[in-house]
Amino acid sequence: TQLLEQSPQFLSIQEGENLTVYCNSSSVFSSLQWYRQEPGEGPVLLVTVVTGGEVKKLKRLTFQFGDARKDSSLHITAAQPGDTGLYLCAGAMITGNQFYFGTGTSLTVIP
Amino acid sequence: DAGITQSPRYKITETGRQVTLMCHQTWSHSYMFWYRQDLGHGLRLIYYSAAADITDKGEVPDGYVVSRSKTENFPLTLESATRSQTSVYFCASSEGGPPYEQYFGPGTRLTVT
Repeated sequence: TQLLEQSPQFLSIQEGENLTVYCNSSSVFSSLQWYRQEPGEGPVLLVTVVTGGEVKKLKRLTFQFGDARKDSSLHITAAQPGDTGLYLCAGAMITGNQFYFGTGTSLTVIP
Repeated sequence: DAGITQSPRYKITETGRQVTLMCHQTWSHSYMFWYRQDLGHGLRLIYYSAAADITDKGEVPDGYVVSRSKTENFPLTLESATRSQTSVYFCASSEGGPPYEQYFGPGTRLTVT
């Protein structure tokens, strides 16, 4: 059982559409991060959110941390083919030093 | 400016053999991590290290050994490789503790036959 569940697992959309990816847990996290991974490469950090309710924007990407710090979402506006990749949420537990990754969402943006 | 490197990039070994995966970072980051990535399981933490000579278990440590005698190196050893250890292994480093903003290496694809 994964501590961080992402949905959807796969997403295929047309260029220009909007989408939202969800990251959910029953546990509380001190912070959550989003990474993007391309085939054959390691994940690359996109953003870190640390405060419940926090919203961060990175160009067309909007990240939100849930008020209870158990969930997060990633919204992409007007998706482009360059957004294609595996999106991973990850977080540090509020107790201890364990760090967990989510199950991942594979996004394909069709030109 | 190499950043974080892993070697080898690809490795095929036989069941029962010992194999060591190398990880080197040039940033002098305190924290280093080893993950394995498998279809259906995502990335899972094997071991991490907060500083030289300080290591701790992650989610899936069984069958693996780590050491960290120098800040910049964090080798991962499979003492007696099993087919279930066939995976892609990623090393990462982080300048500080929580929230552990990590920089990943390119990965090592290990196949155990």
